[in-house]
Amino acid sequence: EAQVTQNPRYLITVTGKKLTVTCSQNMNHEYMSWYRQDPGLGLRQIYYSMNVEVTDKGDVPEGYKVSRKEKRNFPLILESPSPNQTSLYFCASSPYPPGLAGEWGYEQYFGPGTRLTVT
Amino acid sequence: LAKTTQPISMDSYEGQEVNITCSHNNIATNDYITWYQQFPSQGPRFIIQGYKTKVTNEVASLFIPADRKSSTLSLPRVSLSDTAVYYCLVGHSGAGSYQLTFGKGTKLSVIP
Repeated sequence: EAQVTQNPRYLITVTGKKLTVTCSQNMNHEYMSWYRQDPGLGLRQIYYSMNVEVTDKGDVPEGYKVSRKEKRNFPLILESPSPNQTSLYFCASSPYPPGLAGEWGYEQYFGPGTRLTVT
Repeated sequence: LAKTTQPISMDSYEGQEVNITCSHNNIATNDYITWYQQFPSQGPRFIIQGYKTKVTNEVASLFIPADRKSSTLSLPRVSLSDTAVYYCLVGHSGAGSYQLTFGKGTKLSVIP
């Protein structure tokens, strides 16, 4: 089954304790992305990756790191989590960047989400 | 970077047509417009995508005027299961950047 998986689904941690949220897709997609979702703010892009070893910042990259060593995996790393990073996180992938000029139908497939609480 | 603005919420009765408008005044020439649907505690799901004029699929229609500064998602004959948050997304594909900006979403409540 074509899907995007995230782990863990729920995580409660303390300030400053490094953590990694994993994301994996089995569709051979080029483009992967991380979003956070907060009440009243909608979905905001954190980082995205065009392909292996190619990553770039989204709207809210501060406090996060990512890596893309393999095409299927795109982990999100919080080196020193703080309470303001408490949020619902989504990973997404698409064959190519969504909305790329001249192309159609490159929808993003989203994972089930990771609810992170930092105390 | 194109920002989007949508109504925060809308109510509709079952069986009615619903139109949700998204404003994107700074849309770039190469940007496409995409709409997603999200149910509580789930990831967003793609509905429809377009560049200009009208696009229709089995779920919705998307109307984009000539100036492309706005777009309207049209849901025909909504049912209770269409209660969700709907996001407008404009892709930014200039100068090698492929950043994406979602709007804050429109919460649609369908009333029996």
